[in-house]
Amino acid sequence: EDKVVQSPLSLVVHEGDTVTLNCSYEVTNFRSLLWYKQEKKAPTFLFMLTSSGIEKKSGRLSSILDKKELFSILNITATQTGDSAVYLCAPANFGNEKLTFGTGTRLTIIP
Amino acid sequence: DVKVTQSSRYLVKRTGEKVFLECVQDMDHENMFWYRQDPGLGLRLIYFSYDVKMKEKGDIPEGYSVSREKKERFSLILESASTNQTSMYLCASMKGALGGNTIYFGEGSWLTVV
Repeated sequence: EDKVVQSPLSLVVHEGDTVTLNCSYEVTNFRSLLWYKQEKKAPTFLFMLTSSGIEKKSGRLSSILDKKELFSILNITATQTGDSAVYLCAPANFGNEKLTFGTGTRLTIIP
Repeated sequence: DVKVTQSSRYLVKRTGEKVFLECVQDMDHENMFWYRQDPGLGLRLIYFSYDVKMKEKGDIPEGYSVSREKKERFSLILESASTNQTSMYLCASMKGALGGNTIYFGEGSWLTVV
């Protein structure tokens, strides 16, 4: 059975801090890993990672995948209150149109 | 921009009622999905469809059925709603194969069964 574990489950930091969110996974026929940000409604797409060691970056957010150790991290630098959200990771596998989502990390940024 | 529209945002239904949740996407995507999201359990897949009239069970299909008569529309049906089906339901769509493409979500439908 596919498994995804995100840590920490929740995190409270001050504005300006840097945070690192973790996602470890066990899936058969791994293809890619996706990160989503969810505020009050639907998740919005952040990154798709398919190759180990190649950092993807978007503004203050960056993410990297380690396919050998089966984990990914999402970094947010110089956090802002608008970064407060639940961050979800989801590995996808070949031949099975199904994403397995982690339970998410709830990030709260205090002004 | 891809648009996935869930027509009912907030519903309150009685136990035993039949409930329809409708989802429409406007980008000619082959794949559509229904998830439910509950605190502490994350997003769980109920059903997905990879083509018109085709459907596959997800992780928690019990108590649900689906209908995909047209490519753009994927309906989730609760034949006889129960209180443990109170949840937030998310529809999603995707073009092509998972892993090579991203999945787009609707805004969510909050269902309360009393």
